[in-house]
Amino acid sequence: AQSVTQLDSQVPVFEEAPVELRCNYSSSVSVYLFWYVQYPNQGLQLLLKYLSGSTLVESINGFEAEFNKSQTSFHLRKPSVHISDTAEYFCAVSGPKTSYDKVIFGPGTSLSVIP
Amino acid sequence: DAGVTQSPTHLIKTRGQQVTLRCSPKSGHDTVSWYQQALGQGPQFIFQYYEEEERQRGNFPDRFSGHQFPNYSSELNVNALLLGDSALYLCASSSDTGLNQPQHFGDGTRLSIL
Repeated sequence: AQSVTQLDSQVPVFEEAPVELRCNYSSSVSVYLFWYVQYPNQGLQLLLKYLSGSTLVESINGFEAEFNKSQTSFHLRKPSVHISDTAEYFCAVSGPKTSYDKVIFGPGTSLSVIP
Repeated sequence: DAGVTQSPTHLIKTRGQQVTLRCSPKSGHDTVSWYQQALGQGPQFIFQYYEEEERQRGNFPDRFSGHQFPNYSSELNVNALLLGDSALYLCASSSDTGLNQPQHFGDGTRLSIL
């Protein structure tokens, strides 16, 4: 069975500083990986996903994540954060069966951008 | 183009009562999934509906049931409410049951059990 660990429950960072949100997973099979963002009082939005191919995936708003199989990690990074990036970020993992009932979410990391 | 809409936004119930939550999917989507998100945790998959049938189910008791209508909208019913059912309930729609099609989430229904 898969599981997800998000090592930091809260990450405060100053505006325009870089940030890394850590995600590690455990799985005995090949995986698909996701990052979701949840703004206050809203539902989740898919930020980016790794299904196959290039291990570096990018989102349209400047975030990127790199799949590292040897370290079983999928850390999310952004070189310069904005106030509007303040939100809860969830890492998720799925086994090779491509259905949503197999997606396991981590507990989330709360990113607070300080002006 | 309306996205996923959920109603009501907030709900307060007492233990033992029953509740119905509603979801209208994004235009063009025919698949609806429901999630429970407890405070401080990630979402947990409850079940998914496609063609008016439950297609996938997570590890939730039979007290949790659902329905999908011909217009693709969906309801989540929870019977014999427990304090532990207090959570944000999220609905997500997609154009396929598989992971290749992204899900669009509604803003959720906040259910509080007293």
